[in-house]
Amino acid sequence: DTAVSQTPKYLVTQMGNDKSIKCEQNLGHDTMYWYKQDSKKFLKIMFSYNNKELIINETVPNRFSPKSPDKAHLNLHINSLELGDSAVYFCASSQAGTARSPLHFGNGTRLTVT
Amino acid sequence: GEDVEQSLFLSVREGDSSVINCTYTDSSSTYLYWYKQEPGAGLQLLTYIFSNMDMKQDQRLTVLLNKKDKHLSLRIADTQTGDSAIYFCAERGSNTDKLIFGTGTRLQVFP
Repeated sequence: DTAVSQTPKYLVTQMGNDKSIKCEQNLGHDTMYWYKQDSKKFLKIMFSYNNKELIINETVPNRFSPKSPDKAHLNLHINSLELGDSAVYFCASSQAGTARSPLHFGNGTRLTVT
Repeated sequence: GEDVEQSLFLSVREGDSSVINCTYTDSSSTYLYWYKQEPGAGLQLLTYIFSNMDMKQDQRLTVLLNKKDKHLSLRIADTQTGDSAIYFCAERGSNTDKLIFGTGTRLQVFP
């Protein structure tokens, strides 16, 4: 069974469009994250949610709006897509307060903006 | 601030040992992790070490931590072609759940 699943796996769209990426985890974790991996493979945290509450927002443009309907889901909506948004977006989850709890990652969503 | 650095490339012959190095700046790091990313895939946790340990061994993997120098390494014994991937180190500071990732080291194993 997939622990952290993201959809879609690939997303190709034009500049100016609005798109969403969905993420679900079945690990019972209470914290979820979005990371962005650029073309040079650099990984940078964007957001984290704990029990549906926003914990981390790493100076991401407000065109990006995460939404967590429950602690097992964290979606990412992106408005007015720009070329620079092209990247692989990874969802992850962990159990907060457990110091050694590693992040479990999904397989990523490759977003291409043309 | 938080900064985690790795060398970008490493090329080794099959059967040899690989050593991937990582340096970090956050002295409050509690746990340090190694992840593996194969092409087109997500990040897979390989191993982790608590900051009060200096070594951890897990089958072919050995993690060494020099907390004084803020240096972490991952040794892969008997490297196989299936080990070819990008390896990321990551650190978790105190009082936070977020991980700061290194720049990644691309390991290429040739026959």
